[in-house]
Amino acid sequence: DAGITQSPRHKVTETGTPVTLRCHQTENHRYMYWYRQDPGHGLRLIHYSYGVKDTDKGEVSDGYSVSRSKTEDFLLTLESATSSQTSVYFCAISDSRDLNYGYTFGSGTRLTVV
Amino acid sequence: RKEVEQDPGPFNVPEGATVAFNCTYSNSASQSFFWYRQDCRKEPKLLMSVYSSGNEDGRFTAQLNRASQYISLLIRDSKLSDSATYLCVVNMEGTGRRALTFGSGTRLQVQP
Repeated sequence: DAGITQSPRHKVTETGTPVTLRCHQTENHRYMYWYRQDPGHGLRLIHYSYGVKDTDKGEVSDGYSVSRSKTEDFLLTLESATSSQTSVYFCAISDSRDLNYGYTFGSGTRLTVV
Repeated sequence: RKEVEQDPGPFNVPEGATVAFNCTYSNSASQSFFWYRQDCRKEPKLLMSVYSSGNEDGRFTAQLNRASQYISLLIRDSKLSDSATYLCVVNMEGTGRRALTFGSGTRLQVQP
């Protein structure tokens, strides 16, 4: 399996606090993605990156920012956490611009905002 | 209209049954299609890609109908271990978004 790890695996935080989730890969893949998964909505794209310092917004980017200063790390920050951001967050990687081979996912981060 | 639509199920079938899942997608320019499997509280994992000519991997057969913008997954001789949620996944080619779009998933429960 591809080397992709997410940290932390679980987090409980208070409303209004900033939170940063980390995705780390050892595959040297160019493309990295952050999704959130909620019941009834499936996986929704938050932000993605197509290279170091190159990022773009997905369909649910409000309230989130990302950074990619190294190929191997893609950070997702909730600037001021809200209860609506309680979710499971998945990071994914791909080495194909055309996505012909799909993604490999990390194990996910369960975030609860209280 | 959702970009990728699936029947959420659940589909409850006995062991050994054949079950089929369908999925429709909205973007006629899409070029890459997949089925992913997701076990409870786990990450999605690639089950198989879907090719225009149809493709088979053991008990699993995937088909694509571009004219109807429809993808299917057939599972033969269902096993208890096939119980999971199956996600239909499409590349939104031509939308400017270099990412995959996921359906909400179809839940399968295989019963002894």
